[in-house]
Amino acid sequence: QVHLVQSGAELKTPGASVRLSCKASGYIFLTSGITWVRQAPGQGLEWMGWFSAFNGDIKYAPKFEGRVSLSSDTSANTAYLDLRGLTSDDTAIYYCARYENTGYYYFDYWGQGTLLTVSS
Amino acid sequence: DIQLTQSPSSLSASVGDRVIITCRASLPINRFLNWYQQKPGKVPQVLIFGASTLQSGVPTRFSGSGSGTDFTLTIDGLQPEDFASYFCQHSHGPPNFGQGTKLEIK
Repeated sequence: QVHLVQSGAELKTPGASVRLSCKASGYIFLTSGITWVRQAPGQGLEWMGWFSAFNGDIKYAPKFEGRVSLSSDTSANTAYLDLRGLTSDDTAIYYCARYENTGYYYFDYWGQGTLLTVSS
Repeated sequence: DIQLTQSPSSLSASVGDRVIITCRASLPINRFLNWYQQKPGKVPQVLIFGASTLQSGVPTRFSGSGSGTDFTLTIDGLQPEDFASYFCQHSHGPPNFGQGTKLEIK
């Protein structure tokens, strides 16, 4: 079975940086991609970026260009999201999700989410 | 960026009703449109991909249609477990989500 297990909740102060992780199992990591989506309290889903392990492509949503970095450790089947210059607006649940190279790029398996709280 | 606009943003309906949620893209996206359901406190789950293909395990009362810029998600015969939020997402280039539709019990 496909599983994505994310790192635990984080509490950060404004201006800080954070690294979130997403460990995949149950499938061949290099044949799929990992996307990152966040959801602020009571709000909708916001796409942040994706890392396509099958072709090395990395794309970021324009809003996050320069502030977000996506990477992976393929030997550990783990994807990472680094977010810099945190503000209270970054308080949200951050999800990783898998997508396959099918063309439709839908997110079929999701991690449990990581709550990031940014507060002084 | 291609934007998605969902309507309505909220909807009240009764068990057994037929519900239609629409999603409009700011530019043509062929059939690169996916639908998700999210229940309170839970992770989103994909219902439909490629505008009309039902994800494995999703009940057949859910259906999707459309291409180009206009898409619909239809639920025929609402069940109690269907009261949730629904999001469309396009994958014609860098993805975006619609703002969501909250389906509540009347």
